[in-house]
Amino acid sequence: DGGITQSPKYLFRKEGQNVTLSCEQNLNHDAMYWYRQDPGQGLRLIYYSQIVNDFQKGDIAEGYSVSREKKESFPLTVTSAQKNPTAFYLCASSIQGALRDTQYFGPGTRLTVL
Amino acid sequence: QKEVEQNSGPLSVPEGAIASLNCTYSDRGSQSFFWYRQYSGKSPELIMSIYSNGDKEDGRFTAQLNKASQYVSLLIRDSQPSDSATYLCAVNDDYKLSFGAGTTVTVRA
Repeated sequence: DGGITQSPKYLFRKEGQNVTLSCEQNLNHDAMYWYRQDPGQGLRLIYYSQIVNDFQKGDIAEGYSVSREKKESFPLTVTSAQKNPTAFYLCASSIQGALRDTQYFGPGTRLTVL
Repeated sequence: QKEVEQNSGPLSVPEGAIASLNCTYSDRGSQSFFWYRQYSGKSPELIMSIYSNGDKEDGRFTAQLNKASQYVSLLIRDSQPSDSATYLCAVNDDYKLSFGAGTTVTVRA
């Protein structure tokens, strides 16, 4: 089955820890995205990548880092510099990142800071 | 970040009625518009995309786009309890998407 997988589904982080969220897709999509969603709010873009070994900051990149070493994978690291990381994190992909491309979402990771 | 505004909810409609959702956007140059449905605790799933002025119908859903007035709407006809969800409007921002905060719809039996 083609799709986007995210792991883990739930993640708990202690203060001062870095954690990495996994995102994998087998849709052969070029573009991948990371969003953050807080209760009652829309999605805010953290980082996006339109091609392997290249990525751009979104609107709220501070305290996050990413890598894109493989087309299928786009992991997100939440660093200790992110002061309020508790949120629902969503990974998405699209064919090429073109203007009319639909973005498809993975099931999400819910991160809680203890 | 380009602004995308949705009518504040929650919106409660009786089963079988029409639910009307509105979305306005700030960038006159936007070209692509999407409606996503998000059930509580789940990720968004695409309902419809629209790129040209006018109406686009898909089953019980109709998207309407008016670029001159910078709004896009979604109508849900014959609303069912399974339509109870939050509906997100998304507009292209160059090669990214900007999302509205969403409108929560509750269909009461």
